[in-house]
Amino acid sequence: DAGITQSPRHKVTETGTPVTLRCHQTENHRYMYWYRQDPGHGLRLIHYSYGVKDTDKGEVSDGYSVSRSKTEDFLLTLESATSSQTSVYFCAISRRGETYGYTFGSGTRLTVV
Amino acid sequence: QQPVQSPQAVILREGEDAVINCSSSKALYSVHWYRQKHGEAPVFLMILLKGGEQKGHEKISASFNEKKQQSSLYLTASQLSYSGTYFCGTDVSGNTPLVFGKGTRLSVIA
Repeated sequence: DAGITQSPRHKVTETGTPVTLRCHQTENHRYMYWYRQDPGHGLRLIHYSYGVKDTDKGEVSDGYSVSRSKTEDFLLTLESATSSQTSVYFCAISRRGETYGYTFGSGTRLTVV
Repeated sequence: QQPVQSPQAVILREGEDAVINCSSSKALYSVHWYRQKHGEAPVFLMILLKGGEQKGHEKISASFNEKKQQSSLYLTASQLSYSGTYFCGTDVSGNTPLVFGKGTRLSVIA
């Protein structure tokens, strides 16, 4: 009902395999973000998008790539998963404007074994 | 740079008040506040723009001191439902993604 969904909700994968997480929104918001959340670190920005095919890196982008071919979908790919990428991944959306906060998806818990 | 939140954790009894602080080394355009309950997504509480305004949301309010690049979140007459981790997120230009602090864990007990 918040208009943003993430899939899958949980995933266990093996080291070295590629993994793609999906973020889907129905709000037609321009801005989309991928954050990872780890104990003691808070939320750290991986990549973000400010429009279709317009993306940029965040502070922890190494080992990750993103794509946005449609307004509603923002994909995060771990090119070759490592144990250090075990985390909870949150997607967020926002409108341009001074009074709007971020709306977060429910998160994807990824475990790399 | 990541904003610094203090305290890292606080325990309150129902009805008590708390203040959570967020400090940045950079000049800020805005500060956001979010609350996250265990196992859930962060939820937006409020945004404060430069200009030193104060805002309120039920019994939760916040202020932004532009000169000190600090924001404070005030929780008055705390309720059990206020328990969770509070994050501030800072924006330096109005056009950049938020940088979040490490969070303040608030526990309200009966």
